[in-house]
Parts: sequence; C-alpha cells; structure tokens
Amino acid sequence: AQSVAQPEDQVNVAEGNPLTVKCTYSVSGNPYLFWYVQYPNRGLQFLLKYITGDNLVKGSYGFEAEFNKSQTSFHLKKPSALVSDSALYFCAVSLLNDYKLSFGAGTTVTVRA
Amino acid sequence: DADVTQTPRNRITKTGKRIMLECSQTKGHDRMYWYRQDPGLGLRLIYYSFDVKDINKGEISDGYSVSRQAQAKFSLSLESAIPNQTALYFCATRGTGTEQYFGPGTRLTVT
Repeated sequence: AQSVAQPEDQVNVAEGNPLTVKCTYSVSGNPYLFWYVQYPNRGLQFLLKYITGDNLVKGSYGFEAEFNKSQTSFHLKKPSALVSDSALYFCAVSLLNDYKLSFGAGTTVTVRA
Repeated sequence: DADVTQTPRNRITKTGKRIMLECSQTKGHDRMYWYRQDPGLGLRLIYYSFDVKDINKGEISDGYSVSRQAQAKFSLSLESAIPNQTALYFCATRGTGTEQYFGPGTRLTVT
C-alpha cells in the first residue's frame, strides 16, 4: 500500500518570503513522487517530479522539491513567493512501473501582498 | 490542459438518476483515469484504463462504471446517483512518460 501525508491544511506567507509545503510518503518500494497545483476552477497542473537521480528537482514557476529518503519526505519549496502562487497544492506518489497515483489531501497556500 | 476536455463542466441531478460524464483527449495517450476530489481527501482513483480493452477498478469503484469507447474517449457513469457522490470529478491521461495530464473537471451535485 502507498500513502501520502500533507500535514498542513493551510500555509500562509507574505509575498517575497520563502514558501515550503510539506509532504511525507509511505510506500513499499522505490517511489515516484509528484507535485501538482490546482488553481480555482481549474484542473491539476503538473509542477515537478522525482524519479531517480539528484535529490533536488526543479520544476515549473520557480518551484523545487527535495527528496529525502531517510525521512520519506518530498517538500515543495520556492525561495520567493508570489501572490499568484496562491492555490491548492497536492503531493502524490506511485510505485515504480505502477503509475497509480495516491494523492495527499492537499495544502492551500495563500500568499499575501 | 486544453488537450483533455470534460463534459459537462457542471451538473445538478437528482438521487436515483443515471448520469454520464465524458472525457476526450487529443494527446494520443493510451492510459486514461477517472478521479473524484473531495475537500480534505485529495483525489481518489475510481477507474483506469491502459487501452481500449483494458479497464481496471481503482480504490473507490463501487457505484460507478466506465466505458472506453475509443483511445480518445473514456466515460464515467453513475448508474443510480446518490448524494454522497457529490464531488469534483477529474479525467486524466498518461502517455509513455510518468506524469498525468488532467482535464478541467466536472462539478457534480446530487440532490
């Protein structure tokens, strides 16, 4: 079985400050890890993924995430948040060669001007 | 993603009615998925299909059925809708890569 936990329902930051959205996972094997973002009244958009290789992965819109195997975490980060980053963020995991995604509950990010 | 379309975008229906949600894609992907999104629960997989002849149940398939009419079309049916099926429904596709591409969603309300 595989699962994802996003421990924070909401994250609030000021524009220009660093943004971190936390994610931990549980799988019985090597994980594929993903971050998606959902803007109001829109579908989910792919941000970035970790498959293998460098633990730090870079994605769209200046976001990056760090894979930490010992802590089973895949936190999403952005050095300087923008008001336009306000959205609902989902972490997801699948097993190697399985591709069935298990999603976290989501974290609502609000960036205030 | 404009390459994955869903119809209708919004639907209100009554308990006991049969309803079909449709998904079409122009990405040429073989794999298609149906999810439902509920507040505080994230997205949960209902059904998925690896090609026209291969359809599989996800974690919450009870009360739902699907039809893969062609590579580009994957429909989700609620045979007899009930209020706890009120949710936001997403279709997604995947090609040979690892990430999935999502449609804009269908907001379904069962009264």
